Amino acid sequence: RKEVEQDPGPFNVPEGATVAFNCTYSNSASQSFFWYRQDCRKEPKLLMSVYSSGNEDGRFTAQLNRASQYISLLIRDSKLSDSATYLCVVDSGGYQKVTFGIGTKLQVIP
Amino acid sequence: DAGVIQSPRHEVTEMGQEVTLRCKPISGHDYLFWYRQTMMRGLELLIYFNNNVPIDDSGMPEDRFSAKMPNASFSTLKIQPSEPRDSAVYFCASGDRGLDYGYTFGSGTRLTVV
Repeated sequence: RKEVEQDPGPFNVPEGATVAFNCTYSNSASQSFFWYRQDCRKEPKLLMSVYSSGNEDGRFTAQLNRASQYISLLIRDSKLSDSATYLCVVDSGGYQKVTFGIGTKLQVIP
Repeated sequence: DAGVIQSPRHEVTEMGQEVTLRCKPISGHDYLFWYRQTMMRGLELLIYFNNNVPIDDSGMPEDRFSAKMPNASFSTLKIQPSEPRDSAVYFCASGDRGLDYGYTFGSGTRLTVV
């Protein structure tokens, strides 16, 4: 089983839709979790950290489920500009144990 | 701040040639990371430095790869000799406050070995 697993997609959704991605991780000792966004042929950029109690940033909501070992990202009212690949990042202790998921590609359609 | 600066942006080289990738981290960041990204394997950590000292190079694929950080403002990743399977995008990233704040990636070097 991979350390971090994501559905690569693509997820094609119409503008204004709500879309959710999940990311599962195998190491129950994982401590920190993040979502990064990567535009086509660009570098990854931090979107948001994922806190145990869940957190929200505008249209974006991140949640952590330790019991089932997954994190999620919910995007409400999708915009064309949300089209990108969303990378799940799991930190199992120290920089050498930071694992990036393969990414989920989102395409928002007019 | 100009961010993390990598050069070159694109590199096409022939198999067997030496390739050197360069990175200038954000001033004041004391961590520097080299990543490789491919479609099949995603982002993989190759090596990281703290205060110019290599901390973990377990991700370096083999002896053909080497990395140095002679000072706080410059790092290189060298591949010698290069092989077609080394074709990928190589990212450099820097950070200073732990992962809670994430770290900043450079724009990457797209390497093609023919």
